[in-house]
Amino acid sequence: DAKTTQPPSMDCAEGRAANLPCNHSTISGNEYVYWYRQIHSQGPQYIIHGLKNNETNEMASLIITEDRKSSTLILPHATLRDTAVYYCIVRVAGYSGAGSYQLTFGKGTKLSVIP
Amino acid sequence: DSGVTQTPKHLITATGQRVTLRCSPRSGDLSVYWYQQSLDQGLQFLIQYYNGEERAKGNILERFSAQQFPDLHSELNLSSLELGDSALYFCASSVGSGVNPSSTDTQYFGPGTRLTVL
Repeated sequence: DAKTTQPPSMDCAEGRAANLPCNHSTISGNEYVYWYRQIHSQGPQYIIHGLKNNETNEMASLIITEDRKSSTLILPHATLRDTAVYYCIVRVAGYSGAGSYQLTFGKGTKLSVIP
Repeated sequence: DSGVTQTPKHLITATGQRVTLRCSPRSGDLSVYWYQQSLDQGLQFLIQYYNGEERAKGNILERFSAQQFPDLHSELNLSSLELGDSALYFCASSVGSGVNPSSTDTQYFGPGTRLTVL
């Protein structure tokens, strides 16, 4: 799977949009971009994923650049409960052999939402 | 709540001992994954089972083993425990192993078991 690069930390004011960037310049055409977050020591929580089109759900929006080399996770109105480590993960779509579905976590971005 | 349950929440044991961690996947999910999160290594994939069969192995030590039962719950067995095995152990589940090429097969994580080896 392609590697990802994320800033180690970011701050965001409560109520403002949080924009978390991720670089995945070596992504392949059949690889999805996934976002998870981990609040304190809880289990990672699935947020959203996408292939090439922008995606939106009740939690967030995912903007993927046209060349797919980077993406941005947007939390439209950050609250204190959004303080967490956010992981951007690139993973192959479909089954391409043993281990193809495992998630490879990097260090993520620690987002601090400030009151 | 992801629908994945793990027991126990906390486990404290001594070096050299053996423990069993249990995971129940979301209803309808056939795949179970185990991950370890330690302070120095981050979140690492250990092993995956699909419908009772081992499907993939990651950085799992030989002292560790897992299985998935006919009712699809899974157990992770850790033996000859060392201080360095202290970590959070997470289980995740997904619908399937994704033999459909278009399937993204999202994984949903449980709350984890915190293992402390003294």
